[in-house]
Amino acid sequence: SAVISQKPSRDICQRGTSLTIQCQVDSQVTMMFWYRQQPGQSLTLIATANQGSEATYESGFVIDKFPISRPNLTFSTLTVSNMSPEDSSIYLCSAQPNNYGYTFGSGTRLTVV
Amino acid sequence: GENVEQHPSTLSVQEGDSAVIKCTYSDSASNYFPWYKQELGKRPQLIIDIRSNVGEKKDQRIAVTLNKTAKHFSLHITETQPEDSAVYFCAADQINRDDKIIFGKGTRLHILP
Repeated sequence: SAVISQKPSRDICQRGTSLTIQCQVDSQVTMMFWYRQQPGQSLTLIATANQGSEATYESGFVIDKFPISRPNLTFSTLTVSNMSPEDSSIYLCSAQPNNYGYTFGSGTRLTVV
Repeated sequence: GENVEQHPSTLSVQEGDSAVIKCTYSDSASNYFPWYKQELGKRPQLIIDIRSNVGEKKDQRIAVTLNKTAKHFSLHITETQPEDSAVYFCAADQINRDDKIIFGKGTRLHILP
C-alpha cells in the first residue's frame, strides 16, 4: 500500500500566525484530501485537492483560512492561517493511490496558544 | 449526497467475545465500503473493505457483511483481544468516480479484561 509522509507531526503556535503542513505520497495520485479531527471525533473533510486546479472546500471551510497547494501528483500543503485556539486539532491528509483503499498521513497535532 | 450512520458510538465487550458494529448508507450508487481502525494517537488504518458485488468478506478474526438491498454493512470481530481496543470508522465510496469518501462518526470499542 502507499505511504504518505506528513510533517510536522506536531506544533505549538501563537495565535495570529500561520502553519503550513506538508504531505508527500510515494506514488502519483489524482486527488488528495485534507481532514480535521477533534479529539474523540470523526474525520471532518476540509477540502479536496486536485493537481492543477483550485481545491474544493467543504461547507464551513474557506480558502482564505485554509489555503491549499497541489503543485504535482505526489505533494500537497495545507496552511492554517491567522490561527486561533479554536484551530487546535489534528490535521490529516489522505490519498487514494489504488482507486480504492484510502491511506492517511500520520497527522499533525496543532495546538494554538 | 451520501450519508453514513454508524452504531453504536461506544461498545464494551468482554475479551474473547464478539463485537459487531453496524453502518447504514443512503446512496445506492455507493459500491465500496472500507473499515478503518484508529488507535489512540495514530492515523486511521484500513483493516478490511468490501465491494458491492460481494456479500461477505473475511480476514482472520474480522469479517464484513453487506446488504445492498437494505443499504447496510457490518463489521464483525470474533475472539476479541485487548489490542482490538480502538475507534472504528465505516465509510462509503464510489470507485472510479472522483468524489469524496463519506465516513461514519466512529465506534469506540473497549475490550474488557
